[in-house]
Amino acid sequence: SQQGEEDPQALSIQEGENATMNCSYKTSINNLQWYRQNSGRGLVHLILIRSNEREKHSGRLRVTLDTSKKSSSLLITASRAADTASYFCAANQAGTALIFGKGTTLSVSS
Amino acid sequence: GAVVSQHPSRVICKSGTSVKIECRSLDFQATTMFWYRQFPKQSLMLMATSNEGSKATYEQGVEKDKFLINHASLTLSTLTVTSAHPEDSSFYICSAREYLDRDSNQPQHFGDGTRLSIL
Repeated sequence: SQQGEEDPQALSIQEGENATMNCSYKTSINNLQWYRQNSGRGLVHLILIRSNEREKHSGRLRVTLDTSKKSSSLLITASRAADTASYFCAANQAGTALIFGKGTTLSVSS
Repeated sequence: GAVVSQHPSRVICKSGTSVKIECRSLDFQATTMFWYRQFPKQSLMLMATSNEGSKATYEQGVEKDKFLINHASLTLSTLTVTSAHPEDSSFYICSAREYLDRDSNQPQHFGDGTRLSIL
């Protein structure tokens, strides 16, 4: 079964707006990772947050992690049309494969 | 950064054909590689974990005789879809974990995927 569950499944916003995606997972983790996938392509790693971290930033990305609630959020600020893609969270336990959530499809219109 | 090369990117073939997909880590050693399958507008589903020099570990419901995995070196894993049928049409993606990442605290590196279409 899938480890991560994203919410919402689809999100449509205008350029310049912020986009927030949430992810919940089921078991203990080493870290939680967010990936991006453009249509028909492989996955691009965006950001990794370790289980002992609460917040992490990378450029226009901000990720939070709440291990007590087993949840994470990804915030993309000042979105651009080029941010249009599917975003997946993946919970990672040591020594195991990444298990992906269902993903959020983000559409940013100009 | 670390690169994973997956080949071919697209395959169209007749039913009954066997298709081999290669996954190579180009600038790092990967003792473990993973194979995922993705249907349109869905998430990635783990098919199997491939460990160099040993048998692959398949997820429940994945036929090991149908999806043959070989991981003969630290930089190459192959997935062979045997006697492919239209229902095997999908997007197959591999990923690799660096040999030194024993604690799994580094990102995995993904190939660009293979679009398999069986007629």
